[in-house]
Amino acid sequence: GEDVEQSLFLSVREGDSSVINCTYTDSSSTYLYWYKQEPGAGLQLLTYIFSNMDMKQDQRLTVLLNKKDKHLSLRIADTQTGDSAIYFCAESINNNDMRFGAGTRLTVKP
Amino acid sequence: EPEVTQTPSHQVTQMGQEVILRCVPISNHLYFYWYRQILGQKVEFLVSFYNNEISEKSEIFDDQFSVERPDGSNFTLKIRSTKLEDSAMYFCASSGGREALYRYEQYFGPGTRLTVT
Repeated sequence: GEDVEQSLFLSVREGDSSVINCTYTDSSSTYLYWYKQEPGAGLQLLTYIFSNMDMKQDQRLTVLLNKKDKHLSLRIADTQTGDSAIYFCAESINNNDMRFGAGTRLTVKP
Repeated sequence: EPEVTQTPSHQVTQMGQEVILRCVPISNHLYFYWYRQILGQKVEFLVSFYNNEISEKSEIFDDQFSVERPDGSNFTLKIRSTKLEDSAMYFCASSGGREALYRYEQYFGPGTRLTVT
């Protein structure tokens, strides 16, 4: 079936940039999302991109989409300790059901 | 800032019992969803709901599950006869204000952890 894959762990130093990668298999995916989950909390929508875009920037966050390779990335500039969390990539064709990756646990070291 | 709320935060029930998980979506949203995450596994879509009816459901959402919007604010997920494998974190989400663009932004609640013993 269709799937979304992410690496499970990423560790960076405070102040560095973090790049979290995601691949998906469904070429019909129209909407691609990044969610953040802090311990004990729900999923916080960070940003999303439509498949007809290749980049979206929102303050410290940059999303890059390579539709040909079905590759999505989230870059966090000047990563802070407060950015430590699990980051989920998700995709949807019709924005009814979303398919999530397993999440990447980002650890930011001081 | 408006947010999705869910109650209870943790529900423990015995196998075979019925449970109702409650959600209060963001007040001007029109689309409602339930997802679940079994411990150590991915977040999985269960069902979406719009205009007082189910718009889409996954294979997981079988006859044991039902959803309801009993009034203008609550959105509930009922599991009729719980099984051990129903133990999971259940997330409610909502999207879609009056402007179509906001249809694409699903906002999640903090989740209800369901433990079936």
